Amino acid sequence: QQPVQSPQAVILREGEDAVINCSSSKALYSVHWYRQKHGEAPVFLMILLKGGEQKGHEKISASFNEKKQQSSLYLTASQLSYSGTYFCGTEGEYGNKLVFGAGTILRVKS
Amino acid sequence: SQTIHQWPATLVQPVGSPLSLECTVEGTSNPNLYWYRQAAGRGLQLLFYSVGIGQISSEVPQNLSASRPQDRQFILSSKKLLLSDSGFYLCAQSSGDQETQYFGPGTRLLVL
Repeated sequence: QQPVQSPQAVILREGEDAVINCSSSKALYSVHWYRQKHGEAPVFLMILLKGGEQKGHEKISASFNEKKQQSSLYLTASQLSYSGTYFCGTEGEYGNKLVFGAGTILRVKS
Repeated sequence: SQTIHQWPATLVQPVGSPLSLECTVEGTSNPNLYWYRQAAGRGLQLLFYSVGIGQISSEVPQNLSASRPQDRQFILSSKKLLLSDSGFYLCAQSSGDQETQYFGPGTRLLVL
């Protein structure tokens, strides 16, 4: 079942923060986050595993709440280069292939 | 590290014509392979996935088919294209214990 992402779209000014949420109705083993820039293929950002710690690099981090079956992606002090569509992909507890959300469009303005 | 090649990069085809898109993977063996389609401004629609040579699972019934003649080769085909087949076709692979998928550069298909 497809995870639900929110918001569908968000517009920020440079330096502002954003949170993108991903919720599933099924128990999850892992959550994967991707970013797709216009006209390009999705690029893997990070994976969060059940029982694992919050992950992050530079000003992009993510958390995984296993009980709530939710993950959130945090973008801090956004830059123009953060613009794109963000997808979460969820893996169920029994190792099934990823199921992707519909995506969240993020636009950072100067 | 693994590399995914897709060709052609862009394609313009008339309605009713056949289609063959190719995806090859380097740097890994026995990968899981996936074909996705993405309509303009939309999400990722999984079309087919394969866990091995000759093993294809179809997610969406339509006029497309897929084949995996070699371990690191995945082909998407159609006998007669429809206008609705236009889109961005992405090949992806995963390997090892984790299901993280890595995408190829994609093929942009326009059916006129």
